[in-house]
Amino acid sequence: AQSVTQLDSQVPVFEEAPVELRCNYSSSVSVYLFWYVQYPNQGLQLLLKYLSGSTLVKGINGFEAEFNKSQTSFHLRKPSVHISDTAEYFCAASYQGNTPLVFGKGTRLSVIA
Amino acid sequence: DGGITQSPKYLFRKEGQNVTLSCEQNLNHDAMYWYRQDPGQGLRLIYYSQIVNDFQKGDIAEGYSVSREKKESFPLTVTSAQKNPTAFYLCASSMAGPSTDTQYFGPGTRLTVL
Repeated sequence: AQSVTQLDSQVPVFEEAPVELRCNYSSSVSVYLFWYVQYPNQGLQLLLKYLSGSTLVKGINGFEAEFNKSQTSFHLRKPSVHISDTAEYFCAASYQGNTPLVFGKGTRLSVIA
Repeated sequence: DGGITQSPKYLFRKEGQNVTLSCEQNLNHDAMYWYRQDPGQGLRLIYYSQIVNDFQKGDIAEGYSVSREKKESFPLTVTSAQKNPTAFYLCASSMAGPSTDTQYFGPGTRLTVL
């Protein structure tokens, strides 16, 4: 079965420091990739997505991600985090055909003042 | 305001009772989804529907049932056959199919079975 692996369950980082949240997906000829964010006790909100084209994708709130086909990765980055970025982040993928999203288990980002 | 409404926010039920979770959207989206979220497990798909009067099972459909009689509504029933129903349930919708379209999520319903 296709899968998405988020390598870190928790990432603590100091305010204004850079952060990278790692995501790997199952190798596939065709894949669409997403990052969603969930603030406490809320639903999810799309940060960014890769469907095709440029491998560097820019999203909301200063986040960006790079699609790396050879490494089967789609890591999320932000050069300088804020306290308000504290949330859970989910990587998701959709594979060939009209198939539902497969979500990773999430990474909890804690920004420390 | 366009969006997805889930009600109630918190729900308590006794073991053995069926319970129905509401999900309504006014985004004019064709597709709707139900996910279950458990700590450390990410989101797991229960059911999804791409068109009225049609729906497909997700990865963990056992013990759940859905209906899609109207485009705006996709209620989820948690039956007594679901062995461990206590969880956070999220409803989502997208313009069309599930693979490329952005999904918009509701605020969730936290179900606790006593």
